[in-house]
Amino acid sequence: QVQLVESGGGLVKPGGSLRLSCAASGFTFSDYYMSWIRQAPGKGLEWVSYISSSGSIIYYADSVKGRFTISRDNAKNSLYLQMNSLRAEDTAVYYCARDFFLSGLDYWGQGTLVTVSS
Amino acid sequence: QSALTQPASVSGSPGQSITISCTGTSSDVGGYNYVSWYQQHPGKAPKLMIYDVSNRPSGVSNRFSGSKSGNTASLTISGLQAEDEADYYCSSYTSSSTYVFGPGTKVTVL
Repeated sequence: QVQLVESGGGLVKPGGSLRLSCAASGFTFSDYYMSWIRQAPGKGLEWVSYISSSGSIIYYADSVKGRFTISRDNAKNSLYLQMNSLRAEDTAVYYCARDFFLSGLDYWGQGTLVTVSS
Repeated sequence: QSALTQPASVSGSPGQSITISCTGTSSDVGGYNYVSWYQQHPGKAPKLMIYDVSNRPSGVSNRFSGSKSGNTASLTISGLQAEDEADYYCSSYTSSSTYVFGPGTKVTVL
């Protein structure tokens, strides 16, 4: 069965960096686009970034452009999100999700909490 | 990247039907058939309920249906059940090659 497991969240100071990982299993990872989505405490969903199956196509939300970098390692069935220059407003649960060819995000991980605070 | 518009809350009695609207622009909802809907229970990850405006993934109850007219998409839940009480989010692909979510609608079963 499809499984997505995020890791790497934690407490970081403003201006700091963090790298999130998402381990995928149960499907051919290299065939699918992947996305990161976040949800601030008590708030709605916000799409963050997606990457194509080969890694050649990448897009970001304006709120993270220039600070976050999405990447993937198809040999390791893993998705990553490098987050730099973190701000308090980046505090959220970060989910990775499988992108069903732009049609929808059909499988989601359980999320990892990132807290940016001094 | 403006968010889509959804009602903050919708309620209904068991067995009734409710409809949640999702309004965007011609640059997102109106321009593509890549509208999806997600259900989220408290403390849980979102679950895909509808993709490509009106298609249901395998395993999703046929009580859930989607449609679109112009810049507005809709999710209808028929035969409302207690387990349907949750937050619902719409999402659309956009002309900027990004995705946008709506603010979410809290569905309450009376």
